[in-house]
Parts: sequence; C-alpha cells; structure tokens
Amino acid sequence: KAGVTQTPRYLIKTRGQQVTLSCSPISGHRSVSWYQQTPGQGLQFLFEYFSETQRNKGNFPGRFSGRQFSNSRSEMNVSTLELGDSALYLCASSFGTGGNQPQHFGDGTRLSIL
Amino acid sequence: AQKVTQAQTEISVVEKEDVTLDCVYETRDTTYYLFWYKQPPSGELVFLIRRNSFDEQNEISGRYSWNFQKSTSSFNFTITASQVVDSAVYFCALSGGSGNTPLVFGKGTRLSVIA
Repeated sequence: KAGVTQTPRYLIKTRGQQVTLSCSPISGHRSVSWYQQTPGQGLQFLFEYFSETQRNKGNFPGRFSGRQFSNSRSEMNVSTLELGDSALYLCASSFGTGGNQPQHFGDGTRLSIL
Repeated sequence: AQKVTQAQTEISVVEKEDVTLDCVYETRDTTYYLFWYKQPPSGELVFLIRRNSFDEQNEISGRYSWNFQKSTSSFNFTITASQVVDSAVYFCALSGGSGNTPLVFGKGTRLSVIA
C-alpha cells in the first residue's frame, strides 16, 4: 500500500514569490492535514481537509491556504513568501477526521526562502 | 488550551541501554488522546501509539513500552535494549476534546544511540 506522497521534496524560492505544495494521501484516506516544522517553533498545525472541506485551521496568516480535491489529494499554497516561511512542510492523512485519528505522514517538502 | 512538554531536548545512550522519554501534558478536557511519533533522519513522522484518556493500561510492543499516568499527566515512553536504529526525534502529541481538535505536539526529544 503506497504511503503519503508529497511533491516536490525540495523547493527554493525568493521572498515575495508564491508556492504550491502537493500531497497525495494513502488510498482510502479522506482526511489530509498539513503541518509546518521549524527548529524554533517545532511542529505546528496548519489546516485539515476532509471530503474537500476545511475542518480545522491553525493560527497562521491568510497567506497560507489549502484545498482538497475529490480524489482526496490536497494542495497548500503560500503567497508572498517571507524568510520565516522556510520550513519542512509535512502532510498527513488519516481515514477519519480529527486529531484523534492516527495520522500517516509523508516525507515532507523542505522549503527554503532566499 | 492544550500543551505538551518534553523536557528532554537531547538524550544520548550507549547501545543496549534502556532509555525513557518523558512527556507531560496539559488539558482541561476529560476526553483526550495521546500519541507518540518517531521522526527518523529521512523526515517522515512514524506513528507509534495512540492512547485515549480512559485507558490507563500500560502497553508493551516489543522493545517499546508506554506508561500512562493521569494522576501526573504523563505519558512516558521507554525503549528497552536500545539499538542504533532507534536514533531519531520522538514526539509526544495530544488531541483534546472529542477528538475533533488538531494535534498539539511537544518540541520533541532527539535520541542518539551510540554503538
């Protein structure tokens, strides 16, 4: 059974640009959550999508947005990139919605802002 | 508000030693879920265990064991006879309420097992 797939693995962008990250969940999983991991702040929840609807949102500015498609694949977008957006972005999928579900994580996308 | 504290930032042990990773949590919810995840150098988090607040029974899985104590709000993780492959960052996490609230992670404990 294929795991969670995130693309691309690495990205280098400059300030002010925008970026789109992609996540394909495990087959049959309908929930996709996104997390930002930085050395200073640790792992922080960005948002969760279930059946194409945003179910939960973390405390991030509106520059961070996401969506989910009918096949459960998800994308997150960050606009007007700032240096502080440099981080490992992790996607996780689960069968059901909510933080009580065991989540299966992808390898992450490492985003570097120059 | 939910909070998870992993006071140990880094631990180094020699192979075959036992090691315990501490996790203390805070929540006002009576129903909540606790998790441990492992993050090897490759980056992905690997799910290890989930416990709900009504199940205080300790669990053992091979060399791994977990001690859940509501009285001290702790959910500690012990690796017995550690191996080099256990080297990773370990995260404790909490989801409160009915489970619809997102996961809150601790800062993680970096475990280095030296051969």
